[in-house]
Amino acid sequence: AQSVSQHNHHVILSEAASLELGCNYSYGGTVNLFWYVQYPGQHLQLLLKYFSGDPLVKGIKGFEAEFIKSKFSFNLRKPSVQWSDTAEYFCAVIRGSGNTGKLIFGQGTTLQVKP
Amino acid sequence: ETGVTQTPRHLVMGMTNKKSLKCEQHLGHNAMYWYKQSAKKPLELMFVYNFKEQTENNSVPSRFSPECPNSSHLFLHLHTLQPEDSALYLCASSQGGLAGVHEQFFGPGTRLTVL
Repeated sequence: AQSVSQHNHHVILSEAASLELGCNYSYGGTVNLFWYVQYPGQHLQLLLKYFSGDPLVKGIKGFEAEFIKSKFSFNLRKPSVQWSDTAEYFCAVIRGSGNTGKLIFGQGTTLQVKP
Repeated sequence: ETGVTQTPRHLVMGMTNKKSLKCEQHLGHNAMYWYKQSAKKPLELMFVYNFKEQTENNSVPSRFSPECPNSSHLFLHLHTLQPEDSALYLCASSQGGLAGVHEQFFGPGTRLTVL
């Protein structure tokens, strides 16, 4: 069965530190990749997505992610985090090029940024 | 109101009760989804509706019964639940159809506690 793995469950950083959250998936075919974020008390919202084209994807709030097909990875990065980035981050995958709607999520990574 | 709304936001019910969760989307989408978010587990897709037709039932127990009367509304009817069904239930919507992959927009969730 397809799965999505986020290796870091809880990350604590100081402001201005660099961030990289790992995400690996197990499906070998065409995939569409997403990072969602859930700020405390708020809805899940899309941070960025990869469907095709440039494997380096820019998202909101200075986040970016790189799709490395050979490594089945889609790691999330930010060069300098802020206290307001404290949230839970979810990697998610949809298989194939059609809209099956079957988003498969990783277990999430809680990021705590200390001021 | 904009986006995806869910009511109630919190629900406590006994195992013999019958209750319903409601989701409404104001985005003109044609696909709607139910997800379950349990502590320390990945978000799990439960049901997918595309143009009011159920296209996915992810092996969900029959004590959960979805209903999609139109493209804007989605219900989850609950009966004879178990304490392990306590979780955050999230609704999402996206553009419908089978071509292409579309971003899903999430509601705030209903926090369900089964006593």
